[in-house]
Amino acid sequence: ELKVEQNPLFLSMQEGKNYTIYCNYSTTSDRLYWYRQDPGKSLESLFVLLSNGAVKQEGRLMASLDTKARLSTLHITAAVHDLSATYFCAVLRETSGSRLTFGEGTQLTVNP
Amino acid sequence: DGGITQSPKYLFRKEGQNVTLSCEQNLNHDAMYWYRQDPGQGLRLIYYSQIVNDFQKGDIAEGYSVSREKKESFPLTVTSAQKNPTAFYLCASSETGRRGQYFGPGTRLTVT
Repeated sequence: ELKVEQNPLFLSMQEGKNYTIYCNYSTTSDRLYWYRQDPGKSLESLFVLLSNGAVKQEGRLMASLDTKARLSTLHITAAVHDLSATYFCAVLRETSGSRLTFGEGTQLTVNP
Repeated sequence: DGGITQSPKYLFRKEGQNVTLSCEQNLNHDAMYWYRQDPGQGLRLIYYSQIVNDFQKGDIAEGYSVSREKKESFPLTVTSAQKNPTAFYLCASSETGRRGQYFGPGTRLTVT
């Protein structure tokens, strides 16, 4: 059974600081997705990582994938308050078409 | 504009009643999914469908039922057999293959 673990689950940081969210998964997969969720809202797609070594950047967020280590990271650079949200990683289940397994989410709060 | 719609946004029901949540997409996606999200937790897959007139159980299908009579529609019925139905329900769709999923705005169901 595929398990996806994120850490930390809660992250409070000051504006201007850098931090990394980690996403570990338990079985082989070469597709990983990052989503953002604002309170009371739906999920918004941030990144799709399609192969080992993939790196994607959008603004202050950068995501990477190491399929050999079964690890993805979401790095936040010079955080701003607008980045406050819950971030989920999701891993494709190889044997079941396009089904995803989600991590528990990391609730990020950026303080002024 | 292409997208996924869910209705209603908020739904209140008495215990013992069945309730149907609507999900419609005009993205021409073959696959559709239903997830449940409880406060402070990740998403859990209820049912999914990869093609019209076919669907499979997800990880927590007990107490739920679905139909897929049209490509654009995938309604979810929460039956009285579901012990803890109060939750945030999210519908998603994707193209076949291993692309990411697009999410609807969600329906918040409260059962008292």
